[in-house]
Amino acid sequence: ETGVTQTPRHLVMGMTNKKSLKCEQHLGHNAMYWYKQSAKKPLELMFVYSLEERVENNSVPSRFSPECPNSSHLFLHLHTLQPEDSALYLCASSQEWEMNQPQHFGDGTRLSIL
Amino acid sequence: AQRVTQPEKLLSVFKGAPVELKCNYSYSGSPELFWYVQYSRQRLQLLLRHISRESIKGFTADLNKGETSFHLKKPFAQEEDSAMYYCALGPNQAGTALIFGKGTTLSVSS
Repeated sequence: ETGVTQTPRHLVMGMTNKKSLKCEQHLGHNAMYWYKQSAKKPLELMFVYSLEERVENNSVPSRFSPECPNSSHLFLHLHTLQPEDSALYLCASSQEWEMNQPQHFGDGTRLSIL
Repeated sequence: AQRVTQPEKLLSVFKGAPVELKCNYSYSGSPELFWYVQYSRQRLQLLLRHISRESIKGFTADLNKGETSFHLKKPFAQEEDSAMYYCALGPNQAGTALIFGKGTTLSVSS
């Protein structure tokens, strides 16, 4: 199924490692999102990109660094993470960054910090 | 403040019983409401949105502005309905992302 693809599906890393999460969408959408899904918290919006420009950053620590090289790809660069960063990271896309557009989600990357 | 509240973390029902997943929102304007569902080992996906006024997989949800609620209902639950359900609020402002509730796990047993 074409849609939103995230890699890797699982990632285990130490606190001193540097890794990147990748998201790719083949829907022709102009907006892409990173969410964090923790076990005991609501889905948290981390970043929003519209036409490759970051339009929202919800007070996310600087150890998370997003990158959107084009409207089809979104990365989340990780470095010196903390154990509390272990979570499912979801990527989503929507047609436009406005007015309640339905979002299409990837399967997520399950991140575990040792 | 904009907020979505799903008061139940877990809802357990028997097959064939009616289901109501509660969602209340806090928003001063006219929002758009959504229900998303995540089945076991599958991605989060849109179930329905209030402006469509449609029934998906037997589920319906009516926006009640007076009670600021958007409860998800199904008259007869099926085992395959077991999943995590998220209510989401789309503020009626350009450039504002969805706000999700904490989710409710629905467990349907035979």
